[in-house]
Amino acid sequence: EVQLVESGGDLVQPGGSLRLSCAASGFTFSDYWMSWVRQAPGKGLEWVANIKQDGSEKHYVDSVKGRITISRDNAKNSLYLQMNSLRAEDTAVYYCVRTALILRIFYGMDVWGHGTTVTVSS
Amino acid sequence: SYVLTQPPSVSVAPGKTASITCGGNNIGSKGVHWYQQRPGQAPVLVIFYDSDRPSGIPERFSGSHSGNTATLTISRVEAGDEADYYCQVWDSSSEHMVFGGGTKLTVL
Repeated sequence: EVQLVESGGDLVQPGGSLRLSCAASGFTFSDYWMSWVRQAPGKGLEWVANIKQDGSEKHYVDSVKGRITISRDNAKNSLYLQMNSLRAEDTAVYYCVRTALILRIFYGMDVWGHGTTVTVSS
Repeated sequence: SYVLTQPPSVSVAPGKTASITCGGNNIGSKGVHWYQQRPGQAPVLVIFYDSDRPSGIPERFSGSHSGNTATLTISRVEAGDEADYYCQVWDSSSEHMVFGGGTKLTVL
């Protein structure tokens, strides 16, 4: 079964740091771009970042540049999101998502985890 | 940055057809993808690349585009279709993935 399982969400104070992890199984992880998408309470979906199969390309939404870093370990079938200088507006459910981007054609985000909750509050 | 515009809400009676629009500049030149998110659940891809359905998605779900608008059409709407629906494109010029604001579909 194709599966993505996130972990690492927590309550953290403003200015703090957190590292999210995503464990992939049931597919060849190194064949796919991967993304993080977040959803603030009662709000819509927001793409946060994505990373190429070999980690050589990374892209971020402007609001997180310089504070958040996406990475992956293909040997461990794992995706990560290092979050620093956290703000209240980073409060959200964070989803790990398989991303079908092939030869610069995007075919959608076809597998989603169940999400992990990050709350930034004092 | 590229912007996708969706109506906040759409209502439809059971058995009827629901149409959810997604507006964007020259959207026809980009592949449009649609996601369904039921309350408390993760999103699910229901249409990819304008009009293709992933395995397991009923034929009642279809996608199209014309001009600066893409449309998700749900035929013979059922109570279980009540959910939030999001459109999405990849803006290759900025390398950013963009979601629309979402549309809440209510089945009357």
